[in-house]
Amino acid sequence: GAVVSQHPSWVICKSGTSVKIECRSLDFQATTMFWYRQFPKQSLMLMATSNEGSKATYEQGVEKDKFLINHASLTLSTLTVTSAHPEDSSFYICSAPRRVLEAFFGQGTRLTVV
Amino acid sequence: AQTVTQSQPEMSVQEAETVTLSCTYDTSENNYYLFWYKQPPSRQMILVIRQEAYKQQNATENRFSVNFQKAAKSFSLKISDSQLGDTAMYFCAFMKPSGGADGLTFGKGTHLIIQP
Repeated sequence: GAVVSQHPSWVICKSGTSVKIECRSLDFQATTMFWYRQFPKQSLMLMATSNEGSKATYEQGVEKDKFLINHASLTLSTLTVTSAHPEDSSFYICSAPRRVLEAFFGQGTRLTVV
Repeated sequence: AQTVTQSQPEMSVQEAETVTLSCTYDTSENNYYLFWYKQPPSRQMILVIRQEAYKQQNATENRFSVNFQKAAKSFSLKISDSQLGDTAMYFCAFMKPSGGADGLTFGKGTHLIIQP
């Protein structure tokens, strides 16, 4: 079964509103989790590294104020897309390493902003 | 920074045939890890195979094997006896040797279609 659970699987929101996506490690603790973004028919791009107990590390070009990350516990990281706009529509995927070289991915969240 | 290049956007083979997906990468690191991930239509990322750069022996997992050429910075995936369920996007990925503290750098992917 899944060891990393991502919720919701899909969400539609109105432009200007905020959306929260949750990523949970189900049977292990993860001090680090990763958030990726995938555009249609394209690759996964690392957005940020979520660190339990400290600030997230964002990749170059990713707006920190737009994509808020909170690693509240050793099993939960959240990504909040603030003031969402249609260009934020995408597929967002989280990942958590259970051990070195053993990273598990969530099921992904399809975000549509209308 | 490292880059990963997959030069085959799409490939199509008949069921039971063998297919090889290519991947090259660029890095200044000496030790690192390489992966092949499969993304079926469900979009769930599934690990296919992994290779540690310090190991010369090519990794194998049942019908899947790699040809790792460190000097050439090449990491191709061979799928033997291909099955319909192998139809998916395949991504080559690179990870620095940081014990999992760094995320993955992915190639653009190859869409593999297995024809009946």
